[in-house]
Amino acid sequence: NAGVTQTPKFQVLKTGQSMTLQCAQDMNHEYMSWYRQDPGMGLRLIHYSVGAGITDQGEVPNGYNVSRSTTEDFPLRLLSAAPSQTSVYFCATRAGAPRRERDTQYFGPGTRLTVL
Amino acid sequence: ELKVEQNPLFLSMQEGKNYTIYCNYSTTSDRLYWYRQDPGKSLESLFVLLSNGAVKQEGRLMASLDTKARLSTLHITAAVHDLSATYFCAGGGTGTYKYIFGTGTRLKVLA
Repeated sequence: NAGVTQTPKFQVLKTGQSMTLQCAQDMNHEYMSWYRQDPGMGLRLIHYSVGAGITDQGEVPNGYNVSRSTTEDFPLRLLSAAPSQTSVYFCATRAGAPRRERDTQYFGPGTRLTVL
Repeated sequence: ELKVEQNPLFLSMQEGKNYTIYCNYSTTSDRLYWYRQDPGKSLESLFVLLSNGAVKQEGRLMASLDTKARLSTLHITAAVHDLSATYFCAGGGTGTYKYIFGTGTRLKVLA
C-alpha cells in the first residue's frame, strides 16, 4: 500500500516549457487535490477533484490544468511554465464526503519545481 | 471567503516550557485541522476538530476548537526537541471541499 505517490521529485524547466506532475493513490479515495507551497504563504489550493470526471478550481488555478479520468490518478499540467510557478507542489487525497474521524487529508511527498 | 491566520509565525522555546499556537479563521468553518511538517518533508495530519468545544490530545500536543470565537489552539506541554517543526492549521469552508491553510508556525525547541 503505497498511499499517495508523486513524480518527479525534482524538476527544472525553462520559461515557456510545459510539463505534467503526476499524482497517484491506491487508497480508493474520491477526493484529490493539488497545492503549492511557497515560503511564508502556507499551502494554497490549486485544483481539486471529488471523483473521476469532476474537477474544480481552488485559490490559485491560473496557469494550471487538471483532469481526472480514473480514481487513482490526478495529474497537474503546467501549460507554459513561468518563474512565478517555482514552488513545491503537493498532492493530497481524502476519503469521499466528510465523515467523522476520517476527514483528514493524506499528502504525497511533494515535487520541487524550479522554472528558470 | 474563508481566511485563516496563525500566530505566532515563529516560536523559539526552551525544552520543558509550555506554549500555545493560535489559529483564527474569518467565517464559519465546519472543521479545523492541524498538520505538522518537518523541513523538506510532506505534511502529516495531527488533529481533526469537528465540533465546538472539541479537544484532542496526542502526547505533548493538545488541540481545541471554539467555533463561536472562530479560534483553534494548539497547546504544547513540556516541549522537547523532537517537536521542532512547522505547524499548520487549515479550515474547511462549510459545504465546500476547499481547504484554506494558515501560513504556518515554525517552532524551534532549544535544548
